[in-house]
This record gives sequence, structure tokens and C-alpha cells, in this order.
Amino acid sequence: GAVVSQHPSRVICKSGTSVKIECRSLDFQATTMFWYRQFPKQSLMLMATSNEGSKATYEQGVEKDKFLINHASLTLSTLTVTSAHPEDSSFYICSAKGARSNTEAFFGQGTRLTVV
Amino acid sequence: QQQVKQSPQSLIVQKGGISIINCAYENTAFDYFPWYQQFPGKGPALLIAIRPDVSEKKEGRFTISFNKSAKQFSLHIMDSQPGDSATYFCAASRSGDMRFGAGTRLTVKP
Repeated sequence: GAVVSQHPSRVICKSGTSVKIECRSLDFQATTMFWYRQFPKQSLMLMATSNEGSKATYEQGVEKDKFLINHASLTLSTLTVTSAHPEDSSFYICSAKGARSNTEAFFGQGTRLTVV
Repeated sequence: QQQVKQSPQSLIVQKGGISIINCAYENTAFDYFPWYQQFPGKGPALLIAIRPDVSEKKEGRFTISFNKSAKQFSLHIMDSQPGDSATYFCAASRSGDMRFGAGTRLTVKP
């Protein structure tokens, strides 16, 4: 399958600071990328969908001003958690879909964010 | 609202037994139904997937059964092994937009 890389795998930040998470498709062009959040022992919840070159579409209840998503190229999407608070501590996972695939998306390895 | 319902929440099986996890979905627009295996601290890894034009798919010890009319699908793990102990998520997708079930924590006892 295709490779999607997320960076960093773990990050600890202070409350009130911003954190950027990168999601890269290494061997294909990702026309669409998805960002998920997973709290401990819970399922993955879709936060937003981003298409290259356009604004992200956010799921209901997800603050777009707090979770900034940029999908500036066909191989890179970033999620910035602004003014992070302890309740933002979670596992953030991206997935990417290429133009040739009408169904399957490939997942990154996830980023564990801890806000202290 | 949860678009994919998964059960059971947890499952304990003896080594060599059969593990069965069930899922149901609402939206008939879904056209891809994968199962993911997730170990603690790791991202989900695709295990097996099925499309709605097929009623069953088998890969090694893993089988998906799909009932389109009932909007249900299930994962069967034959000859379950301790290494299969993980959390399993079913999902339903349309154009890559994937919605997950709540997950099943499987424990296979030696």
C-alpha cells in the first residue's frame, strides 16, 4: 500500500502555545487528506477533510479557528493546534487519498499530543 | 451521530478460538468497508476490506461477511492467537471519507 508519514510522532507543549503536525504522502499525490482525533480508548473521529489548494471542510463541533489545516501541496497537509489546552491532548491521525482511488485512504502513524 | 455501530465493545477469546466482531451502518452511499487493527500508541493498520458487490472475502485467518440488505458486516478471526490481541475498528467509507465504529478490544488468552 501507499505510505503516509506523520511528524512528529510525539509532542509535548505548554498550555497556550501552538503545535504543528505534518502529514506527508511519500509515494503518491494526495488530492484529499483527512484529519482524525482519537481520545484514549475511543474511536477515531473525523475532524476535517482537506482538498489540495482549497479550504478544509470541518465536521460539526470542530473549531476551525483552533485547528488550522493547510493542504498547500499534493504531498503535504498540516494541522496546527492553536493556543493548545490540556483538553486538546489526544492522538491525532491523518489519512490521505489519491486521485486514482475512489475509496481507499492510507493512514499515517499518528501523533500523540500532550499539553501540559 | 454514529454512522457505524460496532459490537461487542470488548471480547475475550481463548487461543485457537474464533473471534467475531459485528458492525452495522446506516448510509447506503458507503461503498467500501474496511477493518483496521490498532495496537496501543500506533495508527490503525488496514487488515482486510470489502466492497458491497461481494458477500464474503477471506484473507488467511481473517474473513469479512457482508450483508448488503441488512446493512451489516462482520469480521471473523479464525484460530485466534495472542498476537491478535488489539483493538479492531470497522469503518465505512465513501470517496475516502471514512467513518469508524467505536472499536472492539480483543484479548486472546494463551
